[in-house]
Amino acid sequence: DAGITQSPRHKVTETGTPVTLRCHQTENHRYMYWYRQDPGHGLRLIHYSYGVKDTDKGEVSDGYSVSRSKTEDFLLTLESATSSQTSVYFCAISERKGQFPYEQYFGPGTRLTVT
Amino acid sequence: DQQVKQNSPSLSVQEGRISILNCDYTNSMFDYFLWYKKYPAEGPTFLISISSIKDKNEDGRFTVFLNKSAKHLSLHIVPSQPGDSAVYFCAASASTSGTYKYIFGTGTRLKVLA
Repeated sequence: DAGITQSPRHKVTETGTPVTLRCHQTENHRYMYWYRQDPGHGLRLIHYSYGVKDTDKGEVSDGYSVSRSKTEDFLLTLESATSSQTSVYFCAISERKGQFPYEQYFGPGTRLTVT
Repeated sequence: DQQVKQNSPSLSVQEGRISILNCDYTNSMFDYFLWYKKYPAEGPTFLISISSIKDKNEDGRFTVFLNKSAKHLSLHIVPSQPGDSAVYFCAASASTSGTYKYIFGTGTRLKVLA
């Protein structure tokens, strides 16, 4: 199994509070991703990183920011949590393999509830 | 605009029979495809991949077929086992974009009946 951990695994927070989720990898992979999973929507990309301090937006980035100061850590921050951000959040890592991207390996997920 | 579609939200199959999960895509730039399996309360697990230079890839009981002209791929599981009951996601990427991002479908819930 790829060495990916997410913390916390569960969190309940109130609307308007800031929340930071952490993804930690031990595989030294260059690419890291944050997704959210919601019923009827599958997995949707929030932000991704292609190197230390190099990040870009995904398809549902509004209300989220990220930072990557070390290869192994990728942080997702909800500056002011809203109920629509209640979801399960997954981190993934990947590496390049020749012409094609390598498969993504996922962490165990963080269940976030915003009340 | 959903670029990767899994039009069957659920599928039930008898144990020992073949399971066929389908996925359609609209972006002709997609050239690398993955299938994932997901159990409740766990992260998705990579199953099998296929690049656009192939039309078939096998790994044990799992085979993925790619029809580029129809922009369609399918995952065959033979024989199906109760442990295969899970949600299956397909994902697609365009290697020429240089971003190494994947677009995921909405998933198909497979139930294998014993």
